[in-house]
Amino acid sequence: GENVEQHPSTLSVQEGDSAVIKCTYSDSASNYFPWYKQELGKRPQLIIDIRSNVGEKKDQRIAVTLNKTAKHFSLHITETQPEDSAVYFCAATRGGSQGNLIFGKGTKLSVKP
Amino acid sequence: GAGVSQSPSNKVTEKGKDVELRCDPISGHTALYWYRQSLGQGLEFLIYFQGNSAPDKSGLPSDRFSAERTGGSVSTLTIQRTQQEDSAVYLCASTTSPRGNTGELFFGEGSRLTVL
Repeated sequence: GENVEQHPSTLSVQEGDSAVIKCTYSDSASNYFPWYKQELGKRPQLIIDIRSNVGEKKDQRIAVTLNKTAKHFSLHITETQPEDSAVYFCAATRGGSQGNLIFGKGTKLSVKP
Repeated sequence: GAGVSQSPSNKVTEKGKDVELRCDPISGHTALYWYRQSLGQGLEFLIYFQGNSAPDKSGLPSDRFSAERTGGSVSTLTIQRTQQEDSAVYLCASTTSPRGNTGELFFGEGSRLTVL
């Protein structure tokens, strides 16, 4: 079945620096790759997603890149702010377009002011 | 409210007892997911429903765990003969599956289960 690996497990950056989180997946049929942010004590919320027909997507300070050949995708956060501090989860579908979502183990991002 | 509703929000039970956790998804959402999140850990997949059927239940940890969904709406996750390792937050999420594709998951607040 689908396996999603996420690195690093923890990441600490200075305010204003960039942060990059990387994920790899195993199911070649996967074609939807969302990223969720979970603040302490709160529910996960979608911040950005990408489908396999594009290689990159941007939304203000956040971008996601996808390399289907290598089966990896990355989250890029530029000009980090303290409120970006949270746990970030990547995910990939298992079973094609209408399938289950399997999550990585998460990355705890700390942005130091 | 219009969001995903889960109950109970907190449940403390004794080892060996059965528990039922309920999820009320957003109206019209066809897909429903259950995940488990242990303290400081990731989102462990348990089971996924499309309508009332479960195409993927491979994440259920043992035969003590079962889930059902009726009327394409409410889902119940049942844990029989609870063990201490079952202690976790159980998260439910739903999505519309627009045009048959997986869409944004909307999560509930979760049910925190503590097994003594």
